Amino acid sequence: AQKVTQAQTEISVVEKEDVTLDCVYETRDTTYYLFWYKQPPSGELVFLIRRNSFDEQNEISGRYSWNFQKSTSSFNFTITASQVVDSAVYFCALTTDNAGNMLTFGGGTRLMVKP
Amino acid sequence: DADVTQTPRNRITKTGKRIMLECSQTKGHDRMYWYRQDPGLGLRLIYYSFDVKDINKGEISDGYSVSRQAQAKFSLSLESAIPNQTALYFCATSDTGLALEQFFGPGTRLTVL
Repeated sequence: AQKVTQAQTEISVVEKEDVTLDCVYETRDTTYYLFWYKQPPSGELVFLIRRNSFDEQNEISGRYSWNFQKSTSSFNFTITASQVVDSAVYFCALTTDNAGNMLTFGGGTRLMVKP
Repeated sequence: DADVTQTPRNRITKTGKRIMLECSQTKGHDRMYWYRQDPGLGLRLIYYSFDVKDINKGEISDGYSVSRQAQAKFSLSLESAIPNQTALYFCATSDTGLALEQFFGPGTRLTVL
């Protein structure tokens, strides 16, 4: 069985601050895949990134970056110079080779960026 | 037009009623999923289907059933709705392959009184 923990239920920052959203996962499988999704106030889920367990390179996409560390079973997400439009609930999710395409989601972190 | 659509978007019903939530997709994906979202619990998988003849239970299938009418259509039914089934329900699709991105519909907010 796998588990994803997002210990931060809510984070509030002021615009232009950097913010890191934590994600810790548990799995016994050696091959697994990690995802981040964004859920803005409108409610839809937007895919942000997919990372497999063999690729520990950090990823940067504009103001977004992801830090994957197998040693600590973490896949943290950092937003640099946050903006009000970044306000959303962010979900980390996991699937494994044995789980097919079934995602296990964390409980989500609500990020509020104030102007 | 949206690739994954859900109807209705909002529904209020009473305990004991039968409810059907519908999902349609134009992405041409074989795989479809139903999730429910509850505050603090993230999304949990109810049922999934890897093709028209394949239906599988997810983590929380009790009290739900599904029907895969076609590649593009996947319906979720609550045979006898109860208040703790009040939640936000999402349909998702993915292409065939391992651990590929899932594309989500806009969600259906269901309230059971």
